[in-house]
Amino acid sequence: DADVTQTPRNRITKTGKRIMLECSQTKGHDRMYWYRQDPGLGLRLIYYSFDVKDINKGEISDGYSVSRQAQAKFSLSLESAIPNQTALYFCATSINSQETQYFGPGTRLLVL
Amino acid sequence: DQQVKQNSPSLSVQEGRISILNCDYTNSMFDYFLWYKKYPAEGPTFLISISSIKDKNEDGRFTVFLNKSAKHLSLHIVPSQPGDSAVYFCAASDDSSYKLIFGSGTRLLVRP
Repeated sequence: DADVTQTPRNRITKTGKRIMLECSQTKGHDRMYWYRQDPGLGLRLIYYSFDVKDINKGEISDGYSVSRQAQAKFSLSLESAIPNQTALYFCATSINSQETQYFGPGTRLLVL
Repeated sequence: DQQVKQNSPSLSVQEGRISILNCDYTNSMFDYFLWYKKYPAEGPTFLISISSIKDKNEDGRFTVFLNKSAKHLSLHIVPSQPGDSAVYFCAASDDSSYKLIFGSGTRLLVRP
């Protein structure tokens, strides 16, 4: 079984809709991250969490919110989706910032 | 302003030859560098890392070189295999920032 899972794997939604992307991990790591990948821009950090009570904005947090429901779960929400949020979204976990980050398989989101 | 740059979006090499992927960074505070490999429809997976106290780290066919004065690192794959065809991301961090900064990626194609 995968250590980091993401649901859904693919999602098509319309402008203005609220959607949630979910991430679960079985690695027992405290740190979790949400990234988006756009062509030519690599991975950019949206939000990160050091533990259940510690959530921080990344470089592109506008238009997004997160919830750390438990050590193992970290959800990303788009309150009102817009077309330029069409991207590939990845969740990741790590022991600390200078240890390897383990990525989920990604969620491909299309906002029409 | 991108702090980690991969200026070559793509690279094509013959099977058995050397692949050299390059990465430049601007932040002199970065002290830990990683390479990730990404196949289509999968999340990035950790490949190799190097601390700023070293100038070389080797793992099998993969070697990472760090030139701190030039703020440059490179990944050498020898010999290259068709299964190495993927997108390669370099990433950097410093202990105070608690996060990884990724480059935009280089797509490697190894021709049989």
